[in-house]
Amino acid sequence: DSGVTQTPKHLITATGQRVTLRCSPRSGDLSVYWYQQSLDQGLQFLIQYYNGEERAKGNILERFSAQQFPDLHSELNLSSLELGDSALYFCASSSDGPGTGAFLANVLTFGAGSRLTVL
Amino acid sequence: KNEVEQSPQNLTAQEGEFITINCSYSVGISALHWLQQHPGGGIVSLFMLSSGKKKHGRLIATINIQEKHSSLHITASHPRDSAVYICAVRLPVRAAGNKLTFGGGTRVLVKP
Repeated sequence: DSGVTQTPKHLITATGQRVTLRCSPRSGDLSVYWYQQSLDQGLQFLIQYYNGEERAKGNILERFSAQQFPDLHSELNLSSLELGDSALYFCASSSDGPGTGAFLANVLTFGAGSRLTVL
Repeated sequence: KNEVEQSPQNLTAQEGEFITINCSYSVGISALHWLQQHPGGGIVSLFMLSSGKKKHGRLIATINIQEKHSSLHITASHPRDSAVYICAVRLPVRAAGNKLTFGGGTRVLVKP
């Protein structure tokens, strides 16, 4: 157990639907990252939150949104789902500070992932 | 051209062999991560490097910032080392927050 909890582990849904993936970071970690891993694109960074605020944005579609709550858990919302959204979605957490220097980059702890299948 | 290139894409070794995986990147970075993804899908962070060399058990990671190159070595490889190894670079914080850019991964199979 890495300390990062993701739910659900598996999710099967239909095109056009909306789903929410949840992530609880490791105790003490303030940063949460979301990544998408699809067969054709590999791992891609979606978005990062630090202590409730968005810090960095990657290749996140407009149909996707995320937030981090006061208790530091995060949710990734995927709407108007398409077949191509089928992927593994990983959450990771770290104890990164709010940008305290170019070489401060702490170890990431990954959750087990949520496998989304859109039919 | 991808910002992060890994080689080889696939590698098969006999148990006990020394394995090297290479990662080259084309941008300035603040750190480089080596990740291991097992067949079940879970990802484990093996190393985070910003300079020099790190060792953990049979794994050694090196980075040459000037040459924009890193290597992951597995000594005395074992079938349980079979996994996909992924290199990821972290761009400087001011440039891109803490965005990670990933290589395509190297699939390693160690045969007994």
